[in-house]
Amino acid sequence: GAGVSQSPSNKVTEKGKDVELRCDPISGHTALYWYRQSLGQGLEFLIYFQGNSAPDKSGLPSDRFSAERTGGSVSTLTIQRTQQEDSAVYLCASSTRQGDGYTFGSGTRLTVV
Amino acid sequence: AQSVTQLGSHVSVSEGALVLLRCNYSSSVPPYLFWYVQYPNQGLQLLLKYTSAATLVKGINGFEAEFKKSETSFHLTKPSAHMSDAAEYFCAVRGLTGGGNKLTFGTGTQLKVEL
Repeated sequence: GAGVSQSPSNKVTEKGKDVELRCDPISGHTALYWYRQSLGQGLEFLIYFQGNSAPDKSGLPSDRFSAERTGGSVSTLTIQRTQQEDSAVYLCASSTRQGDGYTFGSGTRLTVV
Repeated sequence: AQSVTQLGSHVSVSEGALVLLRCNYSSSVPPYLFWYVQYPNQGLQLLLKYTSAATLVKGINGFEAEFKKSETSFHLTKPSAHMSDAAEYFCAVRGLTGGGNKLTFGTGTQLKVEL
């Protein structure tokens, strides 16, 4: 597509429920990234996919967080048993293999109540 | 490992005044450096990037940044601020080798433009 698409744009969930966040990257971009942006914080790296290589999961904050990327395109970030501290904006970005600049989606604002 | 430090979480300037947003980097390998802008309720948009070519980089919306290796800096400037420049600005770094293409971001600087 023309840009990185994320859905939903907003999600309110109850504490303890599971949520899935979706990212559709730019067609042809082999790299896909998830970041988390909390109020007053910078961007926290979560996970990085590059082609068919094993993902870099070094930023996932706990085992409640997981992500997959099917067919080298769409990615889903799953948060199990959500906690209030998971409330944040989750940003997805994609890039070419050279990685000389990301294109970001508009993000999913997650609120855990 | 790479990191960036943005000095000043909030900067306020008058319309028409010089904008200067500071970024210092730390990198064990030659870096790629980036500035992104984020408008309210939007994702991040690339302003400009340094990828080891010219040290003075020009970006969109009249912004530019100069890579200074001796000072490990990559400050963002604009000669004359406009009201539409009010946003949050993020500096980011990645190494040319190692760590894949993962960017490490600073904590951001909120720019306010006053009449």
